[in-house]
Amino acid sequence: DSGVTQTPKHLITATGQRVTLRCSPRSGDLSVYWYQQSLDQGLQFLIQYYNGEERAKGNILERFSAQQFPDLHSELNLSSPELGDSALYFCASSVGAGNEQFFGPGTRLTVL
Amino acid sequence: LAKTTQPISMDSYEGQEVNITCSHNNIATNDYITWYQQFPSQGPRFIIQGYKTKVTNEVASLFIPADRKSSTLSLPRVSLSDTAVYYCLVGPLISSGSARQLTFGSGTQLTVLP
Repeated sequence: DSGVTQTPKHLITATGQRVTLRCSPRSGDLSVYWYQQSLDQGLQFLIQYYNGEERAKGNILERFSAQQFPDLHSELNLSSPELGDSALYFCASSVGAGNEQFFGPGTRLTVL
Repeated sequence: LAKTTQPISMDSYEGQEVNITCSHNNIATNDYITWYQQFPSQGPRFIIQGYKTKVTNEVASLFIPADRKSSTLSLPRVSLSDTAVYYCLVGPLISSGSARQLTFGSGTQLTVLP
């Protein structure tokens, strides 16, 4: 158990129906990362927050958004999911930005 | 942006030492090299991190030459449970003040055979 929690474990939605994925980092970790892993793309970095501020961004599409709240938990939102967004979404946390990252169990998103 | 290249797959036998190399030709001065292990449907797990020369912990060693354009993860005496995908990650630590995105390599599928 890494100490990072993600909810829900599985999420099934229809195209165009907004979804929210939630992540709680390890106690004391200030940095949160989101990754997408699909079968044909491998592990892709989406976005990173450090103590509430956006710190780094990957090739994240406009329909994706994220934020880190004052209690340090983070949410990843998909405003209008498409079939190609079906993937495993991992959240990770670390004490600082770029240090050892601890990954959560992931949320499997299925878009029908 | 430090792009990384790893072999797609490797096979080994139980008890052997395995070396997985990652190329990162345009690594930046403030970038560190980190390796992760991932089992199917699980999040990656940190193995080891280094900046230059050699780093060793209880599970692996990391060798980084002087030019830092590549790195080698060494797993001593592998077992069947080491069968997993291994990722090479290049990016800065917070102390650098940089905000560049992190880059995972394509991953190497290591299969340990009995």
